[in-house]
Amino acid sequence: EADIYQTPRYLVIGTGKKITLECSQTMGHDKMYWYQQDPGMELHLIHYSYGVNSTEKGDLSSESTVSRIRTEHFPLTLESARPSHTSQYLCASSEYISGRADEQFFGPGTRLTVL
Amino acid sequence: AQSVAQPEDQVNVAEGNPLTVKCTYSVSGNPYLFWYVQYPNRGLQFLLKYITGDNLVKGSYGFEAEFNKSQTSFHLKKPSALVSDSALYFCAVRGLNYGGSQGNLIFGKGTKLSVKP
Repeated sequence: EADIYQTPRYLVIGTGKKITLECSQTMGHDKMYWYQQDPGMELHLIHYSYGVNSTEKGDLSSESTVSRIRTEHFPLTLESARPSHTSQYLCASSEYISGRADEQFFGPGTRLTVL
Repeated sequence: AQSVAQPEDQVNVAEGNPLTVKCTYSVSGNPYLFWYVQYPNRGLQFLLKYITGDNLVKGSYGFEAEFNKSQTSFHLKKPSALVSDSALYFCAVRGLNYGGSQGNLIFGKGTKLSVKP
């Protein structure tokens, strides 16, 4: 079944640790996104990718980095986690055909808490 | 600049009553508009979209939205609300293919819908 997956769902970690949030999709989509969202609040786009070897920064500046080595995989990494990184991180994907308005499909999210 | 506004932080409705969640937009050219729903501790789920054609768009879970070009609005509606409809609702507009938005979705701040029995 086509879907988008995020692991872990919840992560509690100490300051200074390196973490990687995983996102994979089996939808065959080219474009993928990472959003940051405080609980019950608006979404902020932090990274996106048009396809393999493409990564772009979003509207909200983030200390995180992303990579896109495989079409289906779009991990997000924080080299040194800080309490200010505590938030929910949502991964999404969509088809990418210029001029077409395709909806994004979202994963369940990773709730990150940095102590 | 492309933008979308959801003027209400929260909407309270009694079960069985009709509901409306408001959204207005500002775009250059023809708008591509979307509604998403988010349940607690979950990602967003796509409800419906307007690209062109009929101004009344039908979506998932009995929701529909009415596109009004003169009022630049895209309000989400449901004839009879359920307690299970209680969630956070986001309106979004597709940004331009160039400039800062790069064709990405621009989301509103969200409206919390509370349906009471």
